[in-house]
This record gives sequence, structure tokens and C-alpha cells, in this order.
Amino acid sequence: DAGVTQSPTHLIKTRGQQVTLRCSPKSGHDTVSWYQQALGQGPQFIFQYYEEEERQRGNFPDRFSGHQFPNYSSELNVNALLLGDSALYLCASSWGAGSTYEQYFGPGTRLTVT
Amino acid sequence: EDQVTQSPEALRLQEGESSSLNCSYTVSGLRGLFWYRQDPGKGPEFLFTLYSAGEEKEKERLKATLTKKESFLHITAPKPEDSATYLCAVRGGATNKLIFGTGTLLAVQP
Repeated sequence: DAGVTQSPTHLIKTRGQQVTLRCSPKSGHDTVSWYQQALGQGPQFIFQYYEEEERQRGNFPDRFSGHQFPNYSSELNVNALLLGDSALYLCASSWGAGSTYEQYFGPGTRLTVT
Repeated sequence: EDQVTQSPEALRLQEGESSSLNCSYTVSGLRGLFWYRQDPGKGPEFLFTLYSAGEEKEKERLKATLTKKESFLHITAPKPEDSATYLCAVRGGATNKLIFGTGTLLAVQP
């Protein structure tokens, strides 16, 4: 049973550029959440997608956007990159947008902005 | 405001030396408290879910407990392979987002 997968593993971008990160959820899951984790901190919620719509959003600017596809996979897009966007970006999948079930995390994408 | 505080920030144990990690939380209407283990540079690995005060879960050398204000992760006779950051998260109200603490970095020396 494949778990949550993310690509790419690492990415280096320059300030002002745009980046797209990808996530495939665990088999049987239909909900994808994205988190940003700075070094030494806990993950911070960015947004959640269910039925191809953004259902909830954390305190992140509009530069952060996303998409969910019919096969439940998801993308995270970040425009006009800032140095402060350097972090580990985590994707988590679960079943049911309003459920209390646990979320399973992927290995993350390490983004470095120079 | 929903909040999670973990203590201590870092903990160093000798192999076999049991201890506990604390997670204090304030949330409106707890809909689940979650423990994760995270190795350096990797995504969090799910360990336990607790839903109500008094609930306990066990897995190998780990045991998680929950009260109305905090949760404990007890580690019995730890081994070096238990070294990792342990994250606590809560889900509350009508949302499905997880609110994480900053974690406890555990180092178990042989």
C-alpha cells in the first residue's frame, strides 16, 4: 500500500520565482492538507483540499495557492518567492474533510530560496 | 486561540532510562489529539490518536495518555532508535486542520 508521496524531494529557487510542489495521497484517502515547517518548528497549516475545492485556509498570503485533481492528487503553488519561504513543505492525506481521522504525512519537499 | 505547548524542548536519556514528554493544549471542543514522530529531514510518522480524557494507547515502548488539559507520551526503557522529535497536535472546533506544538527532541544514548 503506497503511502503519501511528494515531489520533488529538494528544490532551490531564486527570490521572485514561482514554484509548484506535488502530492499523491495515500490509497483510499480523498483529502489533502498542506503544511509549512520551518527549521525547529512544528508544521503550520496552509490549506486543505477536498472534492477539488479549498475547504480551509491557514494564515498564509494569497501567494500560496493550490489545486486538487479528480484523482485526489494535489499541487501547491507559491508565487513571488521570498527568502522566508524556505522550509520543508509537507503534504498530509486523510479520509473525509470533516472527519476526526488521523492525517498521514509524506516525506516533504525541502524548498530553499536564495 | 487554540494552542499547543510541548515540554521539555529537548531531552537526553540513557538507554533504559524511562521518562515522559508533556503536551499541554487549549482548544475549543477537542476533536482529537495526535502524536507523531519525526526523524530529521523526513515527514512526521503517525503514532497515536486520543479522543477523550482518560483514554490511553500503547505501542511497543510508547504509551500516550490524555486528560482535559494535557497529554503525556511515556517512554519505557528507551533505545537509541527511539531518538527523534516527537510532535503533538490537536484538532478542535469545526476544522480539520492540525495545530502542532514545536516538538520535543529526544536523544537516547547507548
